Amino acid sequence: EPEVTQTPSHQVTQMGQEVILRCVPISNHLYFYWYRQILGQKVEFLVSFYNNEISEKSEIFDDQFSVERPDGSNFTLKIRSTKLEDSAMYFCASSETRGGDEQYFGPGTRLTVT
Amino acid sequence: AQSVSQHNHHVILSEAASLELGCNYSYGGTVNLFWYVQYPGQHLQLLLKYFSGDPLVKGIKGFEAEFIKSKFSFNLRKPSVQWSDTAEYFCAVNPLYSGAGSYQLTFGKGTKLSVIP
Repeated sequence: EPEVTQTPSHQVTQMGQEVILRCVPISNHLYFYWYRQILGQKVEFLVSFYNNEISEKSEIFDDQFSVERPDGSNFTLKIRSTKLEDSAMYFCASSETRGGDEQYFGPGTRLTVT
Repeated sequence: AQSVSQHNHHVILSEAASLELGCNYSYGGTVNLFWYVQYPGQHLQLLLKYFSGDPLVKGIKGFEAEFIKSKFSFNLRKPSVQWSDTAEYFCAVNPLYSGAGSYQLTFGKGTKLSVIP
């Protein structure tokens, strides 16, 4: 069965550094998402992406975040200058159609900012 | 903005016991509803979903959920749990604005289920 994959599984970085989290969505899916889960808290929506542009974003997704689909397979989340509070599990998801369809989640990248 | 509440943080059951996990949401309009499950060490997987029609929906592995619109609830049930059901369960809502779906899922905080053999 096709799966969403994410790399790396764990990323440790120093405060102020830039990180790029990578995702490979399911190949025939057209909608891509990033969510995050801070330890002990809810899974929170960050952003959705369709047709090479952001289609929806949350208040969390401020100017330090950006997303890109640099080629036909990868979908990346860049955090420009990491803060301690960015430490979380970041999940990528994809779906064939918009929101109401099932979103398939990747295994997540644990980001630790020191 | 919509929110989702899951009332139980951790539920411990013996095998063969019946399960009901509560989920309530706050959003006045039409919603799509989901239950996701995360088994230890694995990623989030869809258990079942409700879009419209019969408010009692059946999912994988013997799970079902009932949508009660008047109570803004979408509780998950299973008549007889197994040890392999040990996992974390997440309720999620996707609101529909003006007939078009929003993109985002709003999740509850999750309920950890531990099933004792």
